[in-house]
Amino acid sequence: NAGVTQTPKFQVLKTGQSMTLQCAQDMNHNSMYWYRQDPGMGLRLIYYSASEGTTDKGEVPNGYNVSRLNKREFSLRLESAAPSQTSVYFCASSETRDRVYGYTFGSGTRLTVV
Amino acid sequence: AQSVAQPEDQVNVAEGNPLTVKCTYSVSGNPYLFWYVQYPNRGLQFLLKYITGDNLVKGSYGFEAEFNKSQTSFHLKKPSALVSDSALYFCAVRAQRGGSYIPTFGRGTSLIVHP
Repeated sequence: NAGVTQTPKFQVLKTGQSMTLQCAQDMNHNSMYWYRQDPGMGLRLIYYSASEGTTDKGEVPNGYNVSRLNKREFSLRLESAAPSQTSVYFCASSETRDRVYGYTFGSGTRLTVV
Repeated sequence: AQSVAQPEDQVNVAEGNPLTVKCTYSVSGNPYLFWYVQYPNRGLQFLLKYITGDNLVKGSYGFEAEFNKSQTSFHLKKPSALVSDSALYFCAVRAQRGGSYIPTFGRGTSLIVHP
């Protein structure tokens, strides 16, 4: 099915380890987003990419980096994982900022940092 | 600041009864409003949106939402709740951030429908 694909679905890291969360969409969307979801906090924006070749910080960017590899792919990197980064991470995409047909979400990556 | 608030962490309703999940927003300009649902261990699924036009918007699974500009609200409603409607519901507003438009989400409301 068309949509947003995230890998991996689950990951356990030790403090200080690094990893990259992958996200790909096949809907030819221009904009992509990374959110983290924590209990009682809702979804908080980490980084977004309004279009290919651009990335910008969201509400909670510290400790993360992103790469918009091409129009389809938007990866999130944790350089040195911390327990505070234990969360569920969601990638989303949308067509363009001026044509609002809603946002499509991936199924999430559940990350635990020990 | 542009934001969206969901004042209830949890809503309980009996199966067959009407349900309402509340959302209020604060945004400059015309609001673009959304409702999403999240089932356990799943991503968010789109339910409905308000861009312009009729204040009553119909969406998936029998849900609807009423846009009220004077009260800056966008409450989600369903005439007859099902146990299978039990899930986490998020209200969102498309807010301007720099030169881009970003979806900003509320904290979510857990809907529990009792048999």
